[in-house]
Amino acid sequence: AQTVTQSQPEMSVQEAETVTLSCTYDTSESNYYLFWYKQPPSRQMILVIRQEAYKQQNATENRFSVNFQKAAKSFSLKISDSQLGDTAMYFCAFATGNQFYFGTGTSLTVIP
Amino acid sequence: GAGVSQSPRYKVAKRGQDVALRCDPISGHVSLFWYQQALGQGPEFLTYFQNEAQLDKSGLPSDRFFAERPEGSVSTLKIQRTQQEDSAVYLCASSPSAVLKNIQYFGAGTRLSVL
Repeated sequence: AQTVTQSQPEMSVQEAETVTLSCTYDTSESNYYLFWYKQPPSRQMILVIRQEAYKQQNATENRFSVNFQKAAKSFSLKISDSQLGDTAMYFCAFATGNQFYFGTGTSLTVIP
Repeated sequence: GAGVSQSPRYKVAKRGQDVALRCDPISGHVSLFWYQQALGQGPEFLTYFQNEAQLDKSGLPSDRFFAERPEGSVSTLKIQRTQQEDSAVYLCASSPSAVLKNIQYFGAGTRLSVL
């Protein structure tokens, strides 16, 4: 069975600082994808960043980057220069075959 | 449209009523997914369509849940004889191709409250 674990229900960060959100997953699959999604109060899930498991290089999208440790099954998200608009729920997700598996989310608050 | 559209945005149902939730995917998108998101939880997979074919319905929680996509575009999730535990946000997502089905674009969801 595939599982995704986010052990930090809530986090906060000062504006302009850096924060790291943790995610671990469990799978026996060798070919899969990992994602971080942002869900603001409007409820619409927005893709933040995506990582293919076969790529060793960590994905980066502007202020967002990941630390992908395949052997440890760890996939953390680093947000640099945090902005007020980053306040949202963040979900780590794992995809293989036709299915997505989401963690329970981390509520991030950026403090002015 | 520019994005995935879901309607209604909110639905209140009395226990035992049937409901139908609509999803309009991004035009031309081949793949379509339904998810159930309970309060304080992450989305849970319900079902997956490739065009009009329902290729995976392993996440549907009971035979009261039924989804269709008859012409390969708009999809409807139907819940019969609703129960309180069905209260959740139902999210729809679409993807441009079967190969790239892991690149999903989500709608804003329908919040279902069963009284």
